[in-house]
Formats: sequence, structure tokens, C-alpha cells
Amino acid sequence: RKEVEQDPGPFNVPEGATVAFNCTYSNSASQSFFWYRQDCRKEPKLLMSVYSSGNEDGRFTAQLNRASQYISLLIRDSKLSDSATYLCVALTGGGNKLTFGTGTQLKVEL
Amino acid sequence: DTAVSQTPKYLVTQMGNDKSIKCEQNLGHDTMYWYKQDSKKFLKIMFSYNNKELIINETVPNRFSPKSPDKAHLNLHINSLELGDSAVYFCASSAGLAAYEQYFGPGTRLTVT
Repeated sequence: RKEVEQDPGPFNVPEGATVAFNCTYSNSASQSFFWYRQDCRKEPKLLMSVYSSGNEDGRFTAQLNRASQYISLLIRDSKLSDSATYLCVALTGGGNKLTFGTGTQLKVEL
Repeated sequence: DTAVSQTPKYLVTQMGNDKSIKCEQNLGHDTMYWYKQDSKKFLKIMFSYNNKELIINETVPNRFSPKSPDKAHLNLHINSLELGDSAVYFCASSAGLAAYEQYFGPGTRLTVT
């Protein structure tokens, strides 16, 4: 079982839709979590951090549920430019290592 | 100015050959990494170096040997290439060991035939 698991998708949504992704993690010792974004044939880039209290950045909201060991990302009013793969990431290995999920692919269509 | 650069961008080679990928960062970061992203897009850490010292060495065949001549450079040498080595290799850097924001290079697409 992978340490960080995600539904690979793809999620095909119309422009303007709200879409939510979840991911689960198996290592309860993981302290910190993040969402990275990877465009097709490009490198991953940090999108946002995830806090238990929730973290909102414009149209993006990330949430952590430690009891259930899952992390969510909500995208409101989705744009064509949001089309990408969203990678759920845990800081593991005593804080020295990022462990990536397999990613969830989002396609926003007209 | 490119923050993390890798060369070459594409590498096509035959089984059994030895090849190197170079990585340089101009961010002044202390920590550098090598990741492998396979055909299923799974991104997995291979190595990390902090100030030229090896910190993480995941379960990687010893045909893979990283070398850090200084903290701005982390190269990856691969001996006796196999078909299963075909993947995209990303170099990354971060300000320090526990820094969660890693800056990735553009990747090197390695194809072994």
C-alpha cells in the first residue's frame, strides 16, 4: 500500500464547476501536508500547504482531517488553466522527505 | 534566470550504456534531490544531499550514483542502463532539509532501448 493514495481520475469538469479531490495517508507520524501541481510534461510546483484549520488561497481550499487521515483540495469556479495533475504530498522521514501521491488529473472543459 | 536546470532534457540510449545527468541550482539552497517519475506518473525520491552530504538514499540499485561536487550541483550517473530505467528524472532543491517547498528542474526524459 502506498503511503499517500489518490484517485488518479481524470476528473472532467466544465468551466466554473467546483471540484474536490481527496487523498489518504497511511503514516500517522506524518506531520505536514501539501498540494503540488504538475502541468503536462512539466515539473511539479508547490500549490499550497494544508492545515487542520483549513487553508484558503483564492479559489483553492485545502483541509486536513488527522482523525481520518485524509487531505482534501477544493477548487471553486474552475478555469481552463486549472487543468493539471494535483499531487498530494506528505512530509515524512522525520521531516526530511516529501512523499508524493500518484496524483489526480483534472481536465477543465469549455 | 533558470532556478534549477538539468542537462540533457532528453536522453535516448541503449541498454548497457553508462550515462550522466547534470543538475545545477542558482537559488543558494543547501539541499538537493533526485526523483524518478515512472510511466504511471508516480514521483519517488531517490537521493537527497545537504551541503554535499548524502542524507537520503532510498532503495535504489547501486548502478545509480549521485555526486555533489558543491552544494549548487548534484549529478546522477547511471551504469549499465536497463529498460526499466526509462523514466523522467527530476532534480530539485530546497532551502534546507525540512523545507517543504522544493523547486524542481524541468526534468530529463530518459529512454532506454
